[in-house]
Amino acid sequence: DTGVSQNPRHKITKRGQNVTFRCDPISEHNRLYWYRQTLGQGPEFLTYFQNEAQLEKSRLLSDRFSAERPKGSFSTLEIQRTEQGDSAMYLCASSGTGLPSATDTQYFGPGTRLTVL
Amino acid sequence: GESVGLHLPTLSVQEGDNSIINCAYSNSASDYFIWYKQESGKGPQFIIDIRSNMDKRQGQRVTVLLNKTVKHLSLQIAATQPGDSAVYFCAENRGQGNLIFGKGTKLSVKP
Repeated sequence: DTGVSQNPRHKITKRGQNVTFRCDPISEHNRLYWYRQTLGQGPEFLTYFQNEAQLEKSRLLSDRFSAERPKGSFSTLEIQRTEQGDSAMYLCASSGTGLPSATDTQYFGPGTRLTVL
Repeated sequence: GESVGLHLPTLSVQEGDNSIINCAYSNSASDYFIWYKQESGKGPQFIIDIRSNMDKRQGQRVTVLLNKTVKHLSLQIAATQPGDSAVYFCAENRGQGNLIFGKGTKLSVKP
């Protein structure tokens, strides 16, 4: 399977714990995105990487959230001191083999469902 | 304000009928729109896209129409099948990374 993969698929944690999710993009893509999706809503943009550089962050990305893409390939999203409101599906997408374009098609992974008890 | 939204939250159609899912946007400068299909427990799946310099684009059993005058786009699915049951989102690409999604329309196909 050469699509976007995410691990783990499900995570249950207690409030206050830290969690980390991993995303492996389509191998030739140089852009990687994180989104959050709550029940009944569309995905909401969190952050975006061009290779290893984090170029854009949403106001939704509080100080407890941090994302990295150290070698320009896979990315991790860490949430510190989780809160019940962090419960959501965290989606990763990738796009692009050349320069950024307004018509980049983003291809999504299956997501990581986080439940904070 | 800027938003991408959908007219109807749910749509139920008979198998074999055509489905039409609508979407309104408010940013007249929007240049690129994408339709995604999301099945339960899965990530959004790209269906079809359209740029603002086009009025219509066709794929396999799907057609997207764009009406820039009223800032409206629609997704038409021909001969709807049970496998088409999912939530459909329109999304607006605003450049580098900021895809703006609407709430979604849940399509149910009755056998």
